[in-house]
Amino acid sequence: AQKITQTQPGMFVQEKEAVTLDCTYDTSDQSYGLFWYKQPSSGEMIFLIYQGSYDEQNATEGRYSLNFQKARKSANLVISASQLGDSAMYFCAMRGPNTGNQFYFGTGTSLTVIP
Amino acid sequence: GAVVSQHPSRVICKSGTSVKIECRSLDFQATTMFWYRQFPKQSLMLMATSNEGSKATYEQGVEKDKFLINHASLTLSTLTVTSAHPEDSSFYICSATKTGSHSEAFFGQGTRLTVV
Repeated sequence: AQKITQTQPGMFVQEKEAVTLDCTYDTSDQSYGLFWYKQPSSGEMIFLIYQGSYDEQNATEGRYSLNFQKARKSANLVISASQLGDSAMYFCAMRGPNTGNQFYFGTGTSLTVIP
Repeated sequence: GAVVSQHPSRVICKSGTSVKIECRSLDFQATTMFWYRQFPKQSLMLMATSNEGSKATYEQGVEKDKFLINHASLTLSTLTVTSAHPEDSSFYICSATKTGSHSEAFFGQGTRLTVV
């Protein structure tokens, strides 16, 4: 069974500081994808970053980077130089061939950026 | 990136009526679309997987007669909430993916349903 765990229901960060949002996962698949999405109060789901299970380099997209530790089955999202517009819910998700390519989502972390 | 359009974004309906929500992939063919329900401050709960040209696969606990899914073409899936009741009020969101596990899900804008 696939499982995504986000243990931080809420996080606060000072503007311009960096913040790490935790995500651990459990899967029996050898090949899988890990994703992070941002959901602002408007409700839309915004894709942020992707990490493939066979990628040796940590993924980076602008201010977002993914700290991928395969042996520990963790895929933490690092947001550098936080901005007020980063305040939102953040969801970690996983997709793999043995799940019918469904996405499994964690419970989310609510991030608040303090001015 | 690919675009998925969901309509309507908000709907208010009377108890007992039915509501149809559309999900369209605008620039790619989606053989599979997913429908989620999200309660306030909670994660997305997968309701069903919509397969083009065949019956949808519903998750355990989701009433298929209550939430009718039709995936009539490679670009359109619809979710109809039949005989809606106040407890059906929620945020419904669809997504479509391209084949392969290395493709992100593209989400619609979501539909906020309020049943009065």
